[in-house]
Amino acid sequence: QVHLVESGGGVVQPGKALRLSCAASGFTFSHFGIHWVRQAPGKGLEWVAAISYDATNEYYAASVKGRFTISRDNSKDTAYLQMDSLGTEDTAIYFCAKENTVMFAFDIWGQGTMVTVSS
Amino acid sequence: QSALTQPASVSGSPGQSIAISCTGTSSDFGTYNLVSWYQLRPGKGPKVIIYEGSRRPSGVSNRFSGSMSGNTASLTISGLQPEDEADYYCCSYVGSSVWIFGGGTKLTVL
Repeated sequence: QVHLVESGGGVVQPGKALRLSCAASGFTFSHFGIHWVRQAPGKGLEWVAAISYDATNEYYAASVKGRFTISRDNSKDTAYLQMDSLGTEDTAIYFCAKENTVMFAFDIWGQGTMVTVSS
Repeated sequence: QSALTQPASVSGSPGQSIAISCTGTSSDFGTYNLVSWYQLRPGKGPKVIIYEGSRRPSGVSNRFSGSMSGNTASLTISGLQPEDEADYYCCSYVGSSVWIFGGGTKLTVL
């Protein structure tokens, strides 16, 4: 079965850092772009970042550019989101998603990991 | 890039049809027309139900349909069922590997 599983969420103080992981199984991870999408409490989905299948290209939403870094290790079928200089506005459930380049949509999602930024 | 505009909530009775609109600007939709729709239930990851504006992935009920007209995309759910109660989000590819979502619509099945 095709799965994405996020981990690494938790409670962190403002200004601190956190790294999320997204472990894939059931498909050829190295063939697909991976995205991070978040949902703040009571809010809608917000696209955060993307990385190409071969890690040569990274893309970021304006709200996280310069603070977040997306990466991947195809040998481990895992993508990462390094989040630095966290603010309370970054409190959210973080989902990773697989990009389907035929559909131009996100066809596989994880269940999310909660990040709470609070003092 | 601002979020796409969706109604905050819609409701309908079992068996009825409802439509959810998703409005953007010409720069959000116009060049690519690559709108997808996602169903989000509590505690679960989103599920794609429509892609490229009107196409259904394998396994998605044909009660879900999508359309586009100008700068507005629409999701229609016919024959409402209790299990359709969820949040629904539109999403558009706007170029340069950037994507934007709508604000989400809560569907209540009465």
